[in-house]
Amino acid sequence: ELKVEQNPLFLSMQEGKNYTIYCNYSTTSDRLYWYRQDPGKSLESLFVLLSNGAVKQEGRLMASLDTKARLSTLHITAAVHDLSATYFCAVDILNTDKLIFGTGTRLQVFP
Amino acid sequence: DSGVTQTPKHLITATGQRVTLRCSPRSGDLSVYWYQQSLDQGLQFLIQYYNGEERAKGNILERFSAQQFPDLHSELNLSSLELGDSALYFCASSGRTGYRETQYFGPGTRLLVL
Repeated sequence: ELKVEQNPLFLSMQEGKNYTIYCNYSTTSDRLYWYRQDPGKSLESLFVLLSNGAVKQEGRLMASLDTKARLSTLHITAAVHDLSATYFCAVDILNTDKLIFGTGTRLQVFP
Repeated sequence: DSGVTQTPKHLITATGQRVTLRCSPRSGDLSVYWYQQSLDQGLQFLIQYYNGEERAKGNILERFSAQQFPDLHSELNLSSLELGDSALYFCASSGRTGYRETQYFGPGTRLLVL
């Protein structure tokens, strides 16, 4: 059974600081997604990582994928309050459209 | 706004009852997915339909069923409701090609079973 684990589960950080969220998964997959969810809201697609070594950046967020290590990272640079949200990684099972979501990382950025 | 719509936004009902959640996918999308989000289980994939046919099944209870209609909207039926069914139910859509594309999520239906 595919398991997707995120670390940390909760992250409180000061504005201006950097941090990395980790997403580990337990079986072979070549596609990983990152989503953002604001409290009480829907999920917003942030990144789709399609191959080993893929790196994508949008603003203060940068995501990478290492399929050999079964690891993806979401790096936050110079955090701002607007980044406060819960971030989910999701892995799809090969040859299906089923997405398995991680536990989520709740990020809180304070002044 | 993802283009995926869900109704209703909130539902409050009693144990033992039956409810129907509705989802309209983005224009042109052929796949519809249903997910359940709860505090104890996290985000769980329930079921996927593609162009009217069931394509994949996840952790969907036998009390739950879904279908996709010819106009591609989908309904998730939850019956014999229990307290533990209280959750946020999301619909997502994708798949103008039908395979392994980004899923776009609707705003969700919050279900509270009393």
